[in-house]
Amino acid sequence: DAGVTQSPTHLIKTRGQHVTLRCSPISGHKSVSWYQQVLGQGPQFIFQYYEKEERGRGNFPDRFSARQFPNYSSELNVNALLLGDSALYLCASSQTGGVNTGELFFGEGSRLTVL
Amino acid sequence: EDQVTQSPEALRLQEGESSSLNCSYTVSGLRGLFWYRQDPGKGPEFLFTLYSAGEEKEKERLKATLTKKESFLHITAPKPEDSATYLCAVQTRNNAGNMLTFGGGTRLMVKP
Repeated sequence: DAGVTQSPTHLIKTRGQHVTLRCSPISGHKSVSWYQQVLGQGPQFIFQYYEKEERGRGNFPDRFSARQFPNYSSELNVNALLLGDSALYLCASSQTGGVNTGELFFGEGSRLTVL
Repeated sequence: EDQVTQSPEALRLQEGESSSLNCSYTVSGLRGLFWYRQDPGKGPEFLFTLYSAGEEKEKERLKATLTKKESFLHITAPKPEDSATYLCAVQTRNNAGNMLTFGGGTRLMVKP
């Protein structure tokens, strides 16, 4: 069975540009979460979507937005890129969106470099 | 504000040399504590869930324990393939859905 798939795997952008990252969850999983992992640090929560509705939002500026589609895939959009947005962006899926579901299945991430 | 601190930041062991990794947390209403393993260039891989003080979970050479203030990941007779970054995360009553707050991780290197 396919795991969580993310695209692109690597990308380079310049300051001020826009980026869209994509994620396909494990088949049957209805919740998708996005995390940002800066080199040498633990992942930091950005968004969670369940059944196409936003369930949680982390402490990130409005330049970050996301959505979930009817097939449960998701996009993360970042506008007006800053150097500090350089990081590994991780997508994770789970069957449900509620509490006591900390068993998340992560993709391999999209590594974004902002020059 | 929920905080999760892991120590040490890095740990070098010889193959077979047992040790423990620490995860201390300050949260309002713990729902669950989770351990993940992350290999270089990969996403984290789920290892354990602990819900209440006194709980223990085991998997091969790994054993996770939980108290009211911290969790330990004990590694018995480690092998080089156990080399990875180990992440601790908490889920709290403050947060909606299944949001996790992660610590900074412990980078474990096991030499043959």
